[in-house]
Amino acid sequence: QSVLSQPPSAPGTPGQRVTISCSGSSSNIGSYYVYWYQHLPGTAPKLLIYRNNQRPSGVPDRFSGSKSGTSASTSASLAISGLRSEDEADYYCAAWDDRLNAWVFGGGTKVTVL
Amino acid sequence: QVQLVESGGGVVQPGRSLRLSCKVSGFRFSSYSMHWVRQAPGKGLEWVAVIAYDGSNEYYADSVKGRFTISRDNSKDTLYLQMNNLRDDDTAVYYCARPEEFPYYYYGMNVWGQGTTVTVSS
Repeated sequence: QSVLSQPPSAPGTPGQRVTISCSGSSSNIGSYYVYWYQHLPGTAPKLLIYRNNQRPSGVPDRFSGSKSGTSASTSASLAISGLRSEDEADYYCAAWDDRLNAWVFGGGTKVTVL
Repeated sequence: QVQLVESGGGVVQPGRSLRLSCKVSGFRFSSYSMHWVRQAPGKGLEWVAVIAYDGSNEYYADSVKGRFTISRDNSKDTLYLQMNNLRDDDTAVYYCARPEEFPYYYYGMNVWGQGTTVTVSS
């Protein structure tokens, strides 16, 4: 059971908008930045979103991150708009947890393009 | 160009030991904390350990605490993971990763190696 909770799957059709949720607690998402990673089998994870909503250079603006607006928010989400076949991958949220003194990952969400 | 290259993976029997290395280049290694993250077959990403930029502090996942030791040699730009008393469920691809900023642990990883595979099997 992961400390951060994500839905296991998120299907969508080409062009559609898909949203992935990530739920945590005050000791992780509520206090620290949320990061999102895209992972394809056999490759290194790729940083998609850092510090809740920032995109590294080279990441398309179809990917966006958010953390709910209150200072004590314990949930975050990743949105993929204009879904493409190449977006099929596993997506993970992650954050530092100061109760565990550990980094915690969500269980991952498999995005499939139907 | 920032690069992280892991090595040292292989097949090992349960109860034995293995040491992984991660050679870095392209950035000031001694400024950054560093992480190990793994992915077991069919499972998600699991954070393993982090070490402070100067080696003064370390944190571990409960699943490896007391068996694994993370260390670094800043003079060699190299990160290590000593894995003792290996178990079947340690079978995974192990990645080293660098945070996007320093020095605090809460900055997430933005540069990853390609990974090295550890298989624990009798």
